[in-house]
Amino acid sequence: SQTIHQWPATLVQPVGSPLSLECTVEGTSNPNLYWYRQAAGRGLQLLFYSVGIGQISSEVPQNLSASRPQDRQFILSSKKLLLSDSGFYLCASKGWTGVKSGANVLTFGAGSRLTVL
Amino acid sequence: AQSVAQPEDQVNVAEGNPLTVKCTYSVSGNPYLFWYVQYPNRGLQFLLKYITGDNLVKGSYGFEAEFNKSQTSFHLKKPSALVSDSALYFCAVRDIEAPGGYNKLIFGAGTRLAVHP
Repeated sequence: SQTIHQWPATLVQPVGSPLSLECTVEGTSNPNLYWYRQAAGRGLQLLFYSVGIGQISSEVPQNLSASRPQDRQFILSSKKLLLSDSGFYLCASKGWTGVKSGANVLTFGAGSRLTVL
Repeated sequence: AQSVAQPEDQVNVAEGNPLTVKCTYSVSGNPYLFWYVQYPNRGLQFLLKYITGDNLVKGSYGFEAEFNKSQTSFHLKKPSALVSDSALYFCAVRDIEAPGGYNKLIFGAGTRLAVHP
């Protein structure tokens, strides 16, 4: 099965500072990768997805960017954080694990909680 | 446009009683439907999915969901609730309009389930 590692788990940053959240995936190859943001403990908003190295699609215009330097690494970044960037960021993966029952299922990491002050 | 709705912000149920968390969807074509659960400060965990076949789908932790095409619903159910089932539940539908089949999921706003002793 797939395992997703996210770090840091918790981050408190001042407005205007840079950001880097990292996500790595084990147990699959060539996965589709996703960054979601969850605000106020409720709904999920898809921010970015990637179908391969260097291939990034943005869902909404924002202060954030994403990169995929390696097959199983997905990074969320910002040059200057805004207060509105606070939230719970979730990385997800959709990759073949050799188990048919896992088809079409997204696996999520434990999340990174960002507070911008 | 495709969408999924969870009409209840919160569901309260006594331990041992049956529970239902509602979900309705709007998609063109045949839907791929999912339920995920999120415990506090954690990522989402997959519970079950409907792709095709039997309308009653059984998943993890004793949960099941019934696909009803005529009512465009996919309600999550459990015969006997446990206090440990208290969490945030998300219904999701695969975004079939996504180019290249990127397996993007459209999530509902979430329903908070509170099971009281």
